Amino acid sequence: QVQLVESGGGVVRPGGSLRLSCAASGLTFSNYGMHWVRQAPGKGLEWVAAISFDGSNKYYADSVKGRFTISRDNSMGTLFLQMSSLGAEDTAIYYCAKVPTRLDITFYFDFWGQGALVSVS
Amino acid sequence: EIVLTQSPAALSVSPGERATLSCRASQTVSSNLAWYQQKPGQAPRLLIYSASTRATGIPARFSGSGSRTEFTLTISSLQSDDFAVYFCQQYSNRPLTFGGGTKVEIK
Repeated sequence: QVQLVESGGGVVRPGGSLRLSCAASGLTFSNYGMHWVRQAPGKGLEWVAAISFDGSNKYYADSVKGRFTISRDNSMGTLFLQMSSLGAEDTAIYYCAKVPTRLDITFYFDFWGQGALVSVS
Repeated sequence: EIVLTQSPAALSVSPGERATLSCRASQTVSSNLAWYQQKPGQAPRLLIYSASTRATGIPARFSGSGSRTEFTLTISSLQSDDFAVYFCQQYSNRPLTFGGGTKVEIK
């Protein structure tokens, strides 16, 4: 079955950087757009970034634009999120999530990873 | 940015009763609306997409309705496993946005 497993979370100082990974299995990774969604402790969900199935199109929330970079390696079946200039407002669980189609990146999420906690302190 | 407003923020319901959750969009999203369930310590799970289509494996007691700006998630007879937080999400426009959530609690 489909599995998405995030890694790379941890504690980082304000102004620091961190790279998250999301390893996909049980699917043909290159067929699907992928997203990062975050959730601050005790709060709601916030969309962060998206990348098309082939990596040619990328989109970002205004809150992270210029600081975060989404990328993917289809040969490895892995999604990445490079985060820099981190602040306290970036503290959250970061989920990777897939959309059910390669045709459109603006979609709902049919599978989610279990999340990686990023704490900026 | 399309703002989604969920109501109520919290809902106390007895097992076996019906729960009705609302999601209102600040502008039309057509039927491009999904619902998710999230339990403590877990990732969200897709329940409904296209406003009214149940995702694979979702029980028939979950139903979605609505279009344009007004949407409803109904749980017809609450089971103990259904007590959780429910989020709506629009995918009509970027940025994708979520509602603030409705917590369904045991009465």
